[in-house]
Parts: sequence; structure tokens; C-alpha cells
Amino acid sequence: DAGITQSPRYKITETGRQVTLMCHQTWSHSYMFWYRQDLGHGLRLIYYSAAADITDKGEVPDGYVVSRSKTENFPLTLESATRSQTSVYFCASGVGKLNPSGTQYFGPGTRLTVL
Amino acid sequence: AQTVTQSQPEMSVQEAETVTLSCTYDTSENNYYLFWYKQPPSRQMILVIRQEAYKQQNATENRFSVNFQKAAKSFSLKISDSQLGDTAMYFCAFMNLPPRGMRFGAGTRLTVKP
Repeated sequence: DAGITQSPRYKITETGRQVTLMCHQTWSHSYMFWYRQDLGHGLRLIYYSAAADITDKGEVPDGYVVSRSKTENFPLTLESATRSQTSVYFCASGVGKLNPSGTQYFGPGTRLTVL
Repeated sequence: AQTVTQSQPEMSVQEAETVTLSCTYDTSENNYYLFWYKQPPSRQMILVIRQEAYKQQNATENRFSVNFQKAAKSFSLKISDSQLGDTAMYFCAFMNLPPRGMRFGAGTRLTVKP
């Protein structure tokens, strides 16, 4: 199916554990993004990627690692989860031959709880 | 750094009436996009409308229109003929070019009352 998907949709983990959130898009968009959403803050950018093997930090990158070996995938890893990383995480993609305007399209989100 | 401010945490409107949501932003750049996204209880982020900074004409999408004042750095959203399905959080967002992610406001919770 075309679009952008995230997995898992819900995740509960414990402090100190490593967690990887997956993001997959089928539009061949060049850019992909990770945001977190907390009450009162809207969405904040964690990391973004302009193309495969090109990533850069956003507003709140500490404690997160990303990679992008394939254009369609952009996993986000919490190397050692902390309670402050409890949040809803959104992946987005945008900018490509069919979307030159740069509008970002969002996945359904992953609700992560760190106990 | 760019900032986006939505000064109305909550608003309500009667069904079929018109409501305007406010957004101001701060940037020193000249080439950028502005967006309004809607987030219903399902949590899905849905694009409502987009405005290119280089275009003077205000964007419109059916019942949704914007008032883009570049000099004032203001980007308000007008919803006409409000419907119950418009009840949602609305986020204003800024994106510079080339893209480096979007900067979002804190959101406005809109309730449409029957």
C-alpha cells in the first residue's frame, strides 16, 4: 500500500533499554523526518534526512540515533530510554519528483511509554 | 532560530459559523513555506492548507483560507461554515528552504458546537 507507515503503534519499555521505532514510505520522497509530540509543545523535530546516508540533527536530538541506508526507511533508535522520552513519535516524508513543494506527509504515530 | 506562536490555546465556534485561528512566526529568511495541519482525536496529522512565502495571493482550499501578511509575519486560518468534523487541534507550521524540518506552534484546540 502506498503511503507512510510506522511500527510499532504502541510500545512500553523500561528505563535503560534500547528501542527502535520504524518508519517506511513508498513515495520515494527524498526527505524524511522524525518529530516528537508532547503536551504544550506541538511537534518538535528530532532528526531529518535529505537522502539515503545523509542525516542531520533537529531541535531535540539528544538521546536519539538515526540511520538511513535505504530511501524508503528511516528508523529512530533510543539507545538508552529515559522517562523524559515518553512521547508520541511521528515520522514524516516529503519532497520528491511528485512532491516538489515540500509538503510533509505524516505517519500515524507511535505512542512510546518509558517506565 | 525560527519560532511559531499560536496565541489561542482553545477556541470554540457554533456550527455553520466562521472562525479565525491566529499564528505569528519569526524568521530572518525570505524563502519558506507555511502550513496549517489538523490533528483530530485519531492523532493523524492532516494537511489543511499551504502557503508559499513568495506568493502574495492567499491560499484557499474549499472552506479554508489564510490571511498571509508577510511583513507582519502573520498567517491566520479562516474556517467558513464550520462543521462538527472540524473539531480538532490545529497546528501552524513553518518550513524554510531547502527543507530542514518544520517548526510548529503549540496548537489551538478548536471545538465546533452543534
